[in-house]
Amino acid sequence: KQEVTQIPAALSVPEGENLVLNCSFTDSAIYNLQWFRQDPGKGLTSLLLIQSSQREQTSGRLNASLDKSSGRSTLYIAASQPGDSATYLCAARHISNFGNEKLTFGTGTRLTIIP
Amino acid sequence: EPEVTQTPSHQVTQMGQEVILRCVPISNHLYFYWYRQILGQKVEFLVSFYNNEISEKSEIFDDQFSVERPDGSNFTLKIRSTKLEDSAMYFCASSDPDRRSNYGYTFGSGTRLTVV
Repeated sequence: KQEVTQIPAALSVPEGENLVLNCSFTDSAIYNLQWFRQDPGKGLTSLLLIQSSQREQTSGRLNASLDKSSGRSTLYIAASQPGDSATYLCAARHISNFGNEKLTFGTGTRLTIIP
Repeated sequence: EPEVTQTPSHQVTQMGQEVILRCVPISNHLYFYWYRQILGQKVEFLVSFYNNEISEKSEIFDDQFSVERPDGSNFTLKIRSTKLEDSAMYFCASSDPDRRSNYGYTFGSGTRLTVV
């Protein structure tokens, strides 16, 4: 059974700093890994998707890396801003034990950028 | 960019009442899903739907839950007799059949269900 874990659960950093969020998954047989942002009480906004054949993806100040063999992904945020404050979720797309495609979410990292 | 649309955004219902949550997935997607997130907890899988039938359901998705695609565009989640513990944010999602697509799963903005 796929398990996805994110460390740390919460992180506070001063504005302007670079930071790294971590995601690990137990089953390396994934199709891709997606990073989402969730603001309090709101929906899920897709940030980056990294295919299993890729090592990294970039969008603006965000960079996601993937090491499938070790079951890890990181989300790097450069020059953090107060508007980056949110919960960040990673999710692995994989085949379930019942042979169906599924997305399994991590536990999330709650990020606070201090002005 | 195509969107998944969910209605209503917030629903309050009395315990024991039936609710129907509605979703319009992206038109060329073939796989549809419901997920839920209890306040402060993980986003968890409820059910997947493909080719007009349930392909997989979690242990949460008991006989009180059902899904339907009544026409070519809507996808609904029905809870027959709501319980207090059904209070959560419910997300609908659809996915591109091409796993190499850069869109992946697209989620709706969610329906916040409050059972009182």
